[in-house]
Amino acid sequence: ETGVTQTPRHLVMGMTNKKSLKCEQHLGHNAMYWYKQSAKKPLELMFVYSLEERVENNSVPSRFSPECPNSSHLFLHLHTLQPEDSALYLCASSHRGNYGYTFGSGTRLTVV
Amino acid sequence: DQQVKQNSPSLSVQEGRISILNCDYTNSMFDYFLWYKKYPAEGPTFLISISSIKDKNEDGRFTVFLNKSAKHLSLHIVPSQPGDSAVYFCAASDRDDKIIFGKGTRLHILP
Repeated sequence: ETGVTQTPRHLVMGMTNKKSLKCEQHLGHNAMYWYKQSAKKPLELMFVYSLEERVENNSVPSRFSPECPNSSHLFLHLHTLQPEDSALYLCASSHRGNYGYTFGSGTRLTVV
Repeated sequence: DQQVKQNSPSLSVQEGRISILNCDYTNSMFDYFLWYKKYPAEGPTFLISISSIKDKNEDGRFTVFLNKSAKHLSLHIVPSQPGDSAVYFCAASDRDDKIIFGKGTRLHILP
């Protein structure tokens, strides 16, 4: 257990479904991140939240919608995804200004 | 355009020998570099880092070397152990807090 918990671990959804990924940390960190890892591609930064405020949206399609209700929780709401969105979605947290991220184990998403 | 490149997708090393993982970067504004290790079904875990003001950082069996003029860094693991078999990600950051990762290199330690 790394201190960053992601649920679910695996998710299979149809293109018309709506689902949400959840991330939770109790490390006292004040920044949270969503990354996407596709096969044979670098980890791609999707969103950055600092002190519950979104500070970066890295050209992510609107079918991905993040939510950060407090400094311990981060969600990624999914709607009308495409098969190419199938990937491992990783949540991470850190102290703002500290490069040492702590990652969750990820959610393996398959869009059918 | 890939700013952090790990050109070797995989590497096999005999147990007890030295493992050398390489990484190149293109952005001269990067001032902090990190290596992460990832086992299957787990998120990446921080391994070792180096600031651009240094050219070497050592932590036990792990040493990271930075050559700023060549925009190249490497991770040395010696001696290699079976538990070192994993995917290793090189990462870099500028003065923002976001980290750019390479594609990773899968290291196999052979018995």
